[in-house]
Parts: sequence; structure tokens; C-alpha cells
Amino acid sequence: DTEVTQTPKHLVMGMTNKKSLKCEQHMGHRAMYWYKQKAKKPPELMFVYSYEKLSINESVPSRFSPECPNSSLLNLHLHALQPEDSALYLCASSQDFSQENTEAFFGQGTRLTVV
Amino acid sequence: AQSVTQLGSHVSVSEGALVLLRCNYSSSVPPYLFWYVQYPNQGLQLLLKYTSAATLVKGINGFEAEFKKSETSFHLTKPSAHMRDAAEYFCAVRAAGNNRKLIWGLGTSLAVNP
Repeated sequence: DTEVTQTPKHLVMGMTNKKSLKCEQHMGHRAMYWYKQKAKKPPELMFVYSYEKLSINESVPSRFSPECPNSSLLNLHLHALQPEDSALYLCASSQDFSQENTEAFFGQGTRLTVV
Repeated sequence: AQSVTQLGSHVSVSEGALVLLRCNYSSSVPPYLFWYVQYPNQGLQLLLKYTSAATLVKGINGFEAEFKKSETSFHLTKPSAHMRDAAEYFCAVRAAGNNRKLIWGLGTSLAVNP
């Protein structure tokens, strides 16, 4: 199994809503990532979890709250988002964050629209 | 600090023609380099990676890339383009030091004309 699974595929939410994005991998990877991607732009790193601990937070606003319940799961909790937060949110995993030569495996993403 | 430059935000080729997507890097240490492809409305998929084992790297879907230290380049090529190759292509370098995050190029959009 070499997949990273993200749910839902599409999400429309109002600015007062609370929602969560979910990500799952069963490759035994110990690093998991959240990225935000705007159209025709490279992905922007948001958070990195290494061995289930938050390792990097790229100064992301607190309306985005990550959670890593176990080594296979990664959530992104959303609250009070703004329309400019509309984007493709990508989850990724890699074998070990400290290994330079390992690649990241990406999920298909959640297309988020904030109205 | 590491950086990546992709020359040409848009490349258009005819079906069956050579594909050449350019990537130049800047790195103070031996780099680890990656090419990813993103098809419309999908996530990113690894095409190939350079990890210092061999300078000519073969990837999936007939793509390959050659690492040239003297030119600080890692250009992606495919001998014969197919319509299904139309996508966004990103080159990335792994940051050195304790921060191992990927540094991304701005991407090149490849169009394949019939």
C-alpha cells in the first residue's frame, strides 16, 4: 500500500463553520505533512509531524489546528476561516523527516472553498 | 541556503516531440533533488529523484533527468511527448541542516499539442 488517503475530496464551508480534514497512510512512515496549494503555484508547507510530534509550524494562523492522533493519521481542524484560505490542501508522508534522500508521498488533496 | 529555479513557466510541445523542462538549483552542500508531476485536480506524484548515486536518473512514464554539478542543473527530459504528459511539473531540493523541508520551484506547465 503506497497511498496517502485524504478525506473529503471537496469541502465548502462558511466562515463560522468548524470542519476537519483527514489524512491516513499505512506505509509505516514516521513523518507527515500538511501543505496548502493555490492554483498554478507550488505547495506551501504548513506543518510537519515527526514521530507524532509537531516538528515544524510555518507560522500558520491559529484558525488552522493540526493533530496527529497516531502514526498513521493526521488531521487538520479548521475554524473561522477566511475566503483567502480557499485552496487545495495536501497531505504527505515520508519515511523519516531527518532522512534527506527520501521522497514525500502525496495524497490527492482536499479542495476547500470558504464562502 | 538552497533554492530552485525553473526556467519557463509554460512549455508547449507537439505530440511525439522531445520534452525538456529546465531546473537549476543553488546549494552549499550536495543536493538531493526531486521532480514531481501534478495532473489537473490531483496531488503530486514523484517522477524521479537524485540522491548522488548516479547522475542520470530514470523515472516513471519515460522521464529521466541528468544531474550536472558544473551547471548546477537537473533538467527533466522525455524523448517523445504524449498527450497524457500535459501537467504541472515541479522541481524541488531538500534543504540542508536540521530543517529538511523541500524547497520548491515555481513549476512549469507543460502543454502537449496534437
